[in-house]
Amino acid sequence: KAGVTQTPRYLIKTRGQQVTLSCSPISGHRSVSWYQQTPGQGLQFLFEYFSETQRNKGNFPGRFSGRQFSNSRSEMNVSTLELGDSALYLCASSLDQVVDSGANVLTFGAGSRLTVL
Amino acid sequence: DAKTTQPNSMESNEEEPVHLPCNHSTISGTDYIHWYRQLPSQGPEYVIHGLTSNVNNRMASLAIAEDRKSSTLILHRATLRDAAVYYCIPKSSGDKLTFGTGTRLAVRP
Repeated sequence: KAGVTQTPRYLIKTRGQQVTLSCSPISGHRSVSWYQQTPGQGLQFLFEYFSETQRNKGNFPGRFSGRQFSNSRSEMNVSTLELGDSALYLCASSLDQVVDSGANVLTFGAGSRLTVL
Repeated sequence: DAKTTQPNSMESNEEEPVHLPCNHSTISGTDYIHWYRQLPSQGPEYVIHGLTSNVNNRMASLAIAEDRKSSTLILHRATLRDAAVYYCIPKSSGDKLTFGTGTRLAVRP
């Protein structure tokens, strides 16, 4: 069974540009979460989507946004890129219920590495 | 979110058992204890989780203290492939998975 697929794997942008990252979850998984990983801040939660609705949101500025489609695929967008947005962006999916019991397990993709120049 | 305390780093010899400790003294009664690991240049990978009882799976065992304020991840025979950062994460119902700094495990051949 295919894992979580993230595209593109690597990309380079310049300050002020915007970027869209894509995530295809495991078939049947309805929840998709996004994380940012940097050497200084570690793994930080961005947001979670379930059935096309944002269910949880981390402490990031409004430049970071996401959405989920009816087939559970998800995209995240970062507008007006800053140097500090250079990071590994990770997507994870889970076989989720309407209410997360706390036992839900996440499967992560390999990430999209964004470099902002 | 419950606070966790893990050693920054640990070392082990190949084919020996490894016990990775985690303190989570502020955990609530309904939080599950999850362990994930991240190998170099990869996304995090689920290892094991539990609520109260000890748990075993093909990758590892999880020993949970009776008061649930600490837990230990046990790798029965470390291999070079087990070199990774290991994260202990208490998770509440409806809450996100919050990663701390984890324990970097080095495995000596």
